[in-house]
Amino acid sequence: NAGVTQTPKFQVLKTGQSMTLQCAQDMNHEYMSWYRQDPGMGLRLIHYSVGAGITDQGEVPNGYNVSRSTTEDFPLRLLSAAPSQTSVYFCASSSQGWGGDTQYFGPGTRLTVL
Amino acid sequence: ELKVEQNPLFLSMQEGKNYTIYCNYSTTSDRLYWYRQDPGKSLESLFVLLSNGAVKQEGRLMASLDTKARLSTLHITAAVHDLSATYFCAVKAYGGATNKLIFGTGTLLAVQP
Repeated sequence: NAGVTQTPKFQVLKTGQSMTLQCAQDMNHEYMSWYRQDPGMGLRLIHYSVGAGITDQGEVPNGYNVSRSTTEDFPLRLLSAAPSQTSVYFCASSSQGWGGDTQYFGPGTRLTVL
Repeated sequence: ELKVEQNPLFLSMQEGKNYTIYCNYSTTSDRLYWYRQDPGKSLESLFVLLSNGAVKQEGRLMASLDTKARLSTLHITAAVHDLSATYFCAVKAYGGATNKLIFGTGTLLAVQP
């Protein structure tokens, strides 16, 4: 299993550009999430999904869109990039069963918006 | 609104010493997680704590949960350099989606020889 994969690893955008961060998992996990990590602020939840076709907002959803058309993929779209969205983005997935639902994190995408 | 606070934010320890990282949260929760992050890397799951009084241990790390006090601790015993990393706690609000987690700001642990 590849686990959770994210592409690209690095990206530089200009203000106003749009792009999609890709996230895929091959563990058949129902739950997937997107976080951003900024210095001194820990990880903040952007959007999350509890299954294909079901998404919801986290703590900091503004400026981002998500969709979940398949179990495997959970892309994050930046509609019009702003310097405040410069961050490291992590995707995570977990299963539904009782027992703790450990989240598995992808390697991250480092995004810079100029 | 669920808020999670960790302290200390930075911890410099000598090898062989013991110390504790604290994680307080503001509303009722039914799950608490501890993660480790090495510089420039992703997060690695350490522990999942599900019930009041839960205690889990792995090597030199031991995590506990007191749901009445809304407090979790991560205790480090006889620290070694390999434990240097940032440690995060994350909390799931009671009744919320399992993957809707609120993270603490992290504790940067530096173990000095």
